[in-house]
Amino acid sequence: DGGITQSPKYLFRKEGQNVTLSCEQNLNHDAMYWYRQDPGQGLRLIYYSQIVNDFQKGDIAEGYSVSREKKESFPLTVTSAQKNPTAFYLCASSNSGGARGYTFGSGTRLTVV
Amino acid sequence: GQSLEQPSEVTAVEGAIVQINCTYQTSGFYGLSWYQQHDGGAPTFLSYNGLDGLEETGRFSSFLSRSDSYGYLLLQELQMKDSASYFCAVADNAGNMLTFGGGTRLMVKP
Repeated sequence: DGGITQSPKYLFRKEGQNVTLSCEQNLNHDAMYWYRQDPGQGLRLIYYSQIVNDFQKGDIAEGYSVSREKKESFPLTVTSAQKNPTAFYLCASSNSGGARGYTFGSGTRLTVV
Repeated sequence: GQSLEQPSEVTAVEGAIVQINCTYQTSGFYGLSWYQQHDGGAPTFLSYNGLDGLEETGRFSSFLSRSDSYGYLLLQELQMKDSASYFCAVADNAGNMLTFGGGTRLMVKP
């Protein structure tokens, strides 16, 4: 079955460490997105990519980095520069005209310890 | 930029009808989408309105008025499993990137 796989489901990070969240899709979608969700809040866009080897910053890109070397993969690195990284991270993908429906992964819950 | 307003919480009883409103201010607009998210889960797509009017999908309907920058999600014959958060989202001019509202937490009571 086609879908988006995020791993790991839970991640614990020590202060000052970089961590990378994985996102893989087999839907043959062109566009991929990373959102952050804080408890009781909406989704805020971190980065998005509409084609391989190209990506743009979203509203809250500071302290994060991404790469898009393959169509299927869009990993997110949370760097030590992100001062408040504890959150639920959601990856999504869509075809062009994504307004008609994003497909989301099951998310990664990141906690700083 | 984009900003969306929706109520933070709504409570209704099983079998009832509930309407969740969404108003938006955007620099570009392509369409309005609605997503459902159960606690700890991923958002799932419910409906999309690109033009004014009502779209119906089973028990769920969604409405858009572009002139009023307003839309709503209507849930009929509420079931306990409908207890979740509901997000409206606006697409940019290209119809790709979504900006989400803060979400409305719906509690369905017996």
